[in-house]
Amino acid sequence: AQSVTQLDSQVPVFEEAPVELRCNYSSSVSVYLFWYVQYPNQGLQLLLKYLSGSTLVKGINGFEAEFNKSQTSFHLRKPSVHISDTAEYFCAVSAGQGGSEKLVFGKGTKLTVNP
Amino acid sequence: DVKVTQSSRYLVKRTGEKVFLECVQDMDHENMFWYRQDPGLGLRLIYFSYDVKMKEKGDIPEGYSVSREKKERFSLILESASTNQTSMYLCASSLYSPWGEAFFGQGTRLTVV
Repeated sequence: AQSVTQLDSQVPVFEEAPVELRCNYSSSVSVYLFWYVQYPNQGLQLLLKYLSGSTLVKGINGFEAEFNKSQTSFHLRKPSVHISDTAEYFCAVSAGQGGSEKLVFGKGTKLTVNP
Repeated sequence: DVKVTQSSRYLVKRTGEKVFLECVQDMDHENMFWYRQDPGLGLRLIYFSYDVKMKEKGDIPEGYSVSREKKERFSLILESASTNQTSMYLCASSLYSPWGEAFFGQGTRLTVV
């Protein structure tokens, strides 16, 4: 079974600073990896996903993530954050060949961008 | 625009009541999911369904059941609500594939008193 570990529960940064949110996964089969964002009082929305091919994936709002198979990681990065990036970020993994595999989420990282 | 709609944003129920949380999607997705979100615990899967009348248990199914009579509608049922079921409940849907993006509803914040 697959699992996800988000290494930081909270990350405070100053506006315009770079940020990295860390995610490690475990799975015995090929995986598909996702980052979702949840703004206050809203549902989750997809930031980006890795399916195959290039290990550097670009998403919305200037975020990108790098898939590292040897380190089983999928860290999320942004070179310069804005106040509006304050939200909770969830890493998720789906695995297998069929269509009914469940999507497993990490516990989330709360990003707080301070002025 | 794709849409997943949960019937209530906020709900207050009494201990022992039978509670229904409804979710409707308009994207003709095969997969539908119910998650529970609690601070520090992230999203935990309660049940999911990959077809009408099909269901599979997630990680925390105890105290819950589900119903999927039509493709677009997935209901979560708390047979006898308890205070430890006070939480945010999120419904999601996706295409029948492990790489499909999941689309989420706005969530239902349930308080059991």
